Amino acid sequence: DAGITQSPRYKITETGRQVTLMCHQTWSHSYMFWYRQDLGHGLRLIYYSAAADITDKGEVPDGYVVSRSKTENFPLTLESATRSQTSVYFCASSEGSLNEKLFFGSGTQLSVL
Amino acid sequence: DQQVKQNSPSLSVQEGRISILNCDYTNSMFDYFLWYKKYPAEGPTFLISISSIKDKNEDGRFTVFLNKSAKHLSLHIVPSQPGDSAVYFCAAPRKNAGNMLTFGGGTRLMVKP
Repeated sequence: DAGITQSPRYKITETGRQVTLMCHQTWSHSYMFWYRQDLGHGLRLIYYSAAADITDKGEVPDGYVVSRSKTENFPLTLESATRSQTSVYFCASSEGSLNEKLFFGSGTQLSVL
Repeated sequence: DQQVKQNSPSLSVQEGRISILNCDYTNSMFDYFLWYKKYPAEGPTFLISISSIKDKNEDGRFTVFLNKSAKHLSLHIVPSQPGDSAVYFCAAPRKNAGNMLTFGGGTRLMVKP
């Protein structure tokens, strides 16, 4: 199906483990983003990418790593998961500049025990 | 430093009545605002936007009002329908941070039949 897909939908892991969340889009959008949603904080930007091989930090990048070797994929890795990284993670994409409307995936609910 | 704030975490209205969701911002450099709507277990979807050169933008049942002097915007839904029950986020691009979107904490709207 066309659009933006995230996997897995749900993930349970333990503290200290490495976890990778996947994001794939079929629109060939230039920009891709990772947000986390936490109660009371809304959506906070973790990392974004303006194009393949170009990534930059958002508001809350600590503890996360991203890569973008292909335009359509933008995986997010938690190198050593902590309980504070329990959250719902959303990937998004947009066609042009950063203030254009974003298209979001359905999210990954991550629990770190 | 939450530059976009939604002070009401929840709102309940009767079907057919008006829903008014509020958003305040502190950064006078913001010149564009967006509202997103989010259903449970789905990603946010773009709803409506407004540029600071306008004080009102209307799209069907949805109208956004911007009061720049008060640094306040509001989303009006008339008439409200049960299908409007969702979490609503306001957002603005931060010019001093690469135009990345900063989101408010969200307001959960419940429209009762």
